Amino acid sequence: RKEVEQDPGPFNVPEGATVAFNCTYSNSASQSFFWYRQDCRKEPKLLMSVYSSGNEDGRFTAQLNRASQYISLLIRDSKLSDSATYLCVVRNTNAGKSTFGDGTTLTVKP
Amino acid sequence: DTGVSQNPRHKITKRGQNVTFRCDPISEHNRLYWYRQTLGQGPEFLTYFQNEAQLEKSRLLSDRFSAERPKGSFSTLEIQRTEQGDSAMYLCASSLHSSGNTIYFGEGSWLTVV
Repeated sequence: RKEVEQDPGPFNVPEGATVAFNCTYSNSASQSFFWYRQDCRKEPKLLMSVYSSGNEDGRFTAQLNRASQYISLLIRDSKLSDSATYLCVVRNTNAGKSTFGDGTTLTVKP
Repeated sequence: DTGVSQNPRHKITKRGQNVTFRCDPISEHNRLYWYRQTLGQGPEFLTYFQNEAQLEKSRLLSDRFSAERPKGSFSTLEIQRTEQGDSAMYLCASSLHSSGNTIYFGEGSWLTVV
C-alpha cells in the first residue's frame, strides 16, 4: 500500500462546477500537509498548505481529518485554468522528506 | 530569477553512460531535495541535504546514484551506467529548515536513456 493514496481520476467537469479530491495517508505521525498543482510536463507548485482547522484560499478549500488520516481539496466555480494534476503531499518528520501521492487529474471543459 | 535552477534541462544519453545533473537552490534555503518523477506517478523521493550533510537517502536508490552538496550550496546528482529505466524527470527542490515550510521545485531535468 502506498503511503499517500489519491484517486487518479480523471475528473472531467464543466466550467463552474464544484469538484472535490480526496487523499488518505498511512503514517499517523505525519505533521504537515499540502496540496500541490502540477501542469503537464512542468514542476509541481504549491497550491496551499492544509491546516487542522481547515482553510480556504479563494475558490479552494482544504480540510484535514487526522483521526481518519484523510485530506480533501474542494474547488468551487471551476475555471478552464484549473485543469491540472493535483498532488497531495505529506511530511512526516521535522522538515524531512515530503511524500507525494500520484495525483488526481482534473480537466475543466467549456 | 531567484528560484531553484536545474541544468541541463534535457539530456539524452546512451545506456551505460554516466550523467550528472546540477541544482542551484534558492540562496537562503538550507535544505535541498532530489526527487524523480515518471509519467502518471507523483514525485518519488531520492535524497535530501541539510546544508552539506546528506540526511536521508531512499532505499529505492541504487548504488549507481550518488548526490553531493559539497559546500552546502549547489548540489549534483550523478547516475552511473545509466539504464533505460532511469528515464524520468529529475526534480530538485529547496526549503528553509522548518516542518511547515514549503518546498520549491526547479523546472526539472529530463533524462532519456536510449
